[in-house]
Amino acid sequence: EDQVTQSPEALRLQEGESSSLNCSYTVSGLRGLFWYRQDPGKGPEFLFTLYSAGEEKEKERLKATLTKKESFLHITAPKPEDSATYLCASQAGGATNKLIFGTGTLLAVQP
Amino acid sequence: NAGVTQTPKFRILKIGQSMTLQCTQDMNHNYMYWYRQDPGMGLKLIYYSVGAGITDKGEVPNGYNVSRSTTEDFPLRLELAAPSQTSVYFCASLGEVYGYTFGSGTRLTVV
Repeated sequence: EDQVTQSPEALRLQEGESSSLNCSYTVSGLRGLFWYRQDPGKGPEFLFTLYSAGEEKEKERLKATLTKKESFLHITAPKPEDSATYLCASQAGGATNKLIFGTGTLLAVQP
Repeated sequence: NAGVTQTPKFRILKIGQSMTLQCTQDMNHNYMYWYRQDPGMGLKLIYYSVGAGITDKGEVPNGYNVSRSTTEDFPLRLELAAPSQTSVYFCASLGEVYGYTFGSGTRLTVV
């Protein structure tokens, strides 16, 4: 069964304290691995898509990486405005193009 | 360009009542999805559509119905609301570049 597991469930960082969020996935025929940011009361907002092992993408203080079993979201020198829930999702092959989501990591960055 | 628009934002229903959650997208996307998000459970797929006139069940379809008469609209119908349907509902459409675009959600409480 296709599954996505994120860890930790919650993470509290001091401003400037770098860290990484983990996303482990088991999926048949991975088509893409997605990262989203979700702020309270809002819908998920697209961050990155990774398609193959070894791929990396960066946006400001965020960098996403992908292996055959895991993806990491590295946060470098975070700021309070980076506080949000970060969601990981896998997209399997097939006609539906549906995403399977992890339960997310709630990140709090304190000034 | 409005993206994905959901209405209403909030709703309280009594047990046994019915309602329709509206979802409209203006990006001419063929694929559309309805997810529900419960605390600690991640996003679960309710129904999806690969184009006008074509819909299919996701992981948790019981108690819901959908229709897709146009490319733009993908309403979700709740018949005989139950407390277990208390959740936040997200509609999404799938594009080529940015993957899923989500609406801002409908927070539904069944009492």
